[in-house]
Amino acid sequence: DVKVTQSSRYLVKRTGEKVFLECVQDMDHENMFWYRQDPGLGLRLIYFSYDVKMKEKGDIPEGYSVSREKKERFSLILESASTNQTSMYLCASSLFLYKEYGYTFGSGTRLTVV
Amino acid sequence: RKEVEQDPGPFNVPEGATVAFNCTYSNSASQSFFWYRQDCRKEPKLLMSVYSSGNEDGRFTAQLNRASQYISLLIRDSKLSDSATYLCVVNTYSGAGSYQLTFGKGTKLSVIP
Repeated sequence: DVKVTQSSRYLVKRTGEKVFLECVQDMDHENMFWYRQDPGLGLRLIYFSYDVKMKEKGDIPEGYSVSREKKERFSLILESASTNQTSMYLCASSLFLYKEYGYTFGSGTRLTVV
Repeated sequence: RKEVEQDPGPFNVPEGATVAFNCTYSNSASQSFFWYRQDCRKEPKLLMSVYSSGNEDGRFTAQLNRASQYISLLIRDSKLSDSATYLCVVNTYSGAGSYQLTFGKGTKLSVIP
């Protein structure tokens, strides 16, 4: 089975800090995604990547950036954390961005910005 | 109009009951469809894909009606362990040879002893 690992389960950061959320997958998937999930708002796509060094904005990229230097690793960066970025962050990967395939998610990072 | 719309529930049903969830999607070009299950404070996990001909996996049956842009999930003989949020997910072509998943906000199911 594909394993998607997120580096931290829970994280508390201060307003203004630069925050790195790491995600690693072990099945050589081309495609990786970062979502945030908030009550009543569902899953919202922040950024995704089709390949190394490639990135595409999702629906809510403001305040975030990403890095994909290696195929297995996709990092989400909060340049200057704010309280409205308190959320559950979910990383996902998929073998093909093709119609038959769903995504495999990591277990999530619950980030609190104080 | 929301891209993928679901009744948020909660659906509170007794053990052994049959329960059905519905979902509508707005993009007629959507190509494939899934149901995901998400337990409280956990990540979403793929439950099943949804095919035009309908498909069944044990107590779970998924149906797709492309003409009405409607997807359903039927759970028979509900178990306590079925309590979760069920996400309707649609895969739509997003250009440059790639597809993207769009998630509904989920329907919460509580199975009561």
